[in-house]
Amino acid sequence: GAVVSQHPSRVICKSGTSVKIECRSLDFQATTMFWYRQFPKQSLMLMATSNEGSKATYEQGVEKDKFLINHASLTLSTLTVTSAHPEDSSFYICSARPDSGLNTEAFFGQGTRLTVV
Amino acid sequence: GQQVMQIPQYQHVQEGEDFTTYCNSSTTLSNIQWYKQRPGGHPVFLIQLVKSGEVKKQKRLTFQFGEAKKNSSLHITATQTTDVGTYFCASGGSYIPTFGRGTSLIVHP
Repeated sequence: GAVVSQHPSRVICKSGTSVKIECRSLDFQATTMFWYRQFPKQSLMLMATSNEGSKATYEQGVEKDKFLINHASLTLSTLTVTSAHPEDSSFYICSARPDSGLNTEAFFGQGTRLTVV
Repeated sequence: GQQVMQIPQYQHVQEGEDFTTYCNSSTTLSNIQWYKQRPGGHPVFLIQLVKSGEVKKQKRLTFQFGEAKKNSSLHITATQTTDVGTYFCASGGSYIPTFGRGTSLIVHP
């Protein structure tokens, strides 16, 4: 089946630094990818919709300048957490939707656990 | 996106008892996925259901997709302490994939 690879799976960074998370669709092209964040003991909430070749669409309350999304190719979207703070520590997961065929379901990456110290 | 409502939010069981969590949608889902998240861990993909009426089994876990593709369930037979965690359903269909709120399973030895 279709595979979405997310990297890294776990990262620890210092406050004030930036962290980049990659989301790759390994065997399909995806014009659209999605980024989610999970707060402790809560469900996964959509942060933004990433569109290849255009600007990402952010959900209300998500800071565009803090969570930079770049969808430079049909198989790769990146989320950069800029000037990270401890409150940014969370679990981030992406999903990608294949462009081709009648099947339009999305597939999820394995997630990235970010710890800011 | 296709909203999925998941119940119950919490479930306490004695070890050996069965457990079921349900996901429901008001619209037809093209697919549904299930994830398990252990305490302190990250969600791990369990399975995806695509076909109407589909039933899949993984050892003591049974996953069902309703005939109308509007609901799904995860059933665990004879729970063990290793089953502790939060189980999420997610719908990847339509436009924006969305997660259910999750069901936290607590197994008492």
